[in-house]
Amino acid sequence: NAGVTQTPKFQVLKTGQSMTLQCAQDMNHEYMSWYRQDPGMGLRLIHYSVGAGITDQGEVPNGYNVSRSTTEDFPLRLLSAAPSQTSVYFCASRPTRDTDTQYFGPGTRLTVL
Amino acid sequence: LAKTTQPISMDSYEGQEVNITCSHNNIATNDYITWYQQFPSQGPRFIIQGYKTKVTNEVASLFIPADRKSSTLSLPRVSLSDTAVYYCLVGGPNTGNQFYFGTGTSLTVIP
Repeated sequence: NAGVTQTPKFQVLKTGQSMTLQCAQDMNHEYMSWYRQDPGMGLRLIHYSVGAGITDQGEVPNGYNVSRSTTEDFPLRLLSAAPSQTSVYFCASRPTRDTDTQYFGPGTRLTVL
Repeated sequence: LAKTTQPISMDSYEGQEVNITCSHNNIATNDYITWYQQFPSQGPRFIIQGYKTKVTNEVASLFIPADRKSSTLSLPRVSLSDTAVYYCLVGGPNTGNQFYFGTGTSLTVIP
């Protein structure tokens, strides 16, 4: 199993540009989530999904959209990038049970100029 | 979300036992306590999880008192490779699948 994969690893955008961060998992996990991590800070939940076709907002959802058309993929879209969205983005997945641990991807480092 | 409080940083010498305490005064009855480890430029990695009393695995031990308002992660005989940030999370069915990471504890192991 590849686990949780994220692309790209690094990305530089100009203010106002749009892009999609890709996340995929091959463990057949129902739950997937996106976090952002700013320098010296912990991870903050952006959006999450408990299954295909179901998404919900986390702690910091503004400026981001998600969709979940398949169990495997959970892309994160920035419609109009802003410098405040400069961060490292982590995708995670876990099975359905609340006690199951989350498996994290390697992260995408995004810089918005 | 049940929030947690941890020390911002800790230093320890190689070979010593390290105990990191996490405070979670608002923990709910159905919440579990989970600890993650994060190395620079990597995603967090699961270390240990517990509900009450003591849990031990090949990496660490987790001590949870009866009132469950705090927990202590114990790392036996740390090495330089244990230098990382450690996060305590509290969550379960009542948190709607959301887990609050907090700022974590940055552990530096000194030779």
